Amino acid sequence: GENVGLHLPTLSVQEGDNSIINCAYSNSASDYFIWYKQESGKGPQFIIDIRSNMDKRQGQRVTVLLNKTVKHLSLQIAATQPGDSAVYFCAENLSGSARQLTFGSGTQLTVLP
Amino acid sequence: DGGITQSPKYLFRKEGQNVTLSCEQNLNHDAMYWYRQDPGQGLRLIYYSQIVNDFQKGDIAEGYSVSREKKESFPLTVTSAQKNPTAFYLCASSGGGALTGELFFGEGSRLTVL
Repeated sequence: GENVGLHLPTLSVQEGDNSIINCAYSNSASDYFIWYKQESGKGPQFIIDIRSNMDKRQGQRVTVLLNKTVKHLSLQIAATQPGDSAVYFCAENLSGSARQLTFGSGTQLTVLP
Repeated sequence: DGGITQSPKYLFRKEGQNVTLSCEQNLNHDAMYWYRQDPGQGLRLIYYSQIVNDFQKGDIAEGYSVSREKKESFPLTVTSAQKNPTAFYLCASSGGGALTGELFFGEGSRLTVL
């Protein structure tokens, strides 16, 4: 399944399928990007980050892609599991300072059995 | 285990009352933050502190106050001047004096004004 950032705040995928969550960021000067996962009633947890000098970074079952030309960030989750159900936020960071961390509104991912 | 502890998890307040939300961290981080989260929205920065005895206003500081007397603690007071205080409040910290992007979050405090 694929979500187009803020225009589709919910995404439902079948268990075992791959998920793609998209995010359009606002500031072309942002040089650091982070994806957070937030489960219901809990604080956000760091998933993966990427710096602007890279266009792809892989973690365990997750991949972040960065397209600076169109200011687009995506999070790919392989073999989505029920425990992946959560809200996913992208955040952009200007000049490496957490003071400048700007969060998107999030995408609710629901994994269907 | 190292982490950030917020309390209380749930809090109810009558209009006109001040309430204080606690945030404690044992990560030895210099920087601490308070964010507000409303339903279906992202996080908005209320206040942040890069070092003990120093703090700065974020994007929505009106109606809130903080203190940073100890490195481990960064309490947030929601005053009666905050017109719409019902929200989910998140405390976070980061190492490197706020120069890194990764934030470590607490579990949040949900404030409801009756």
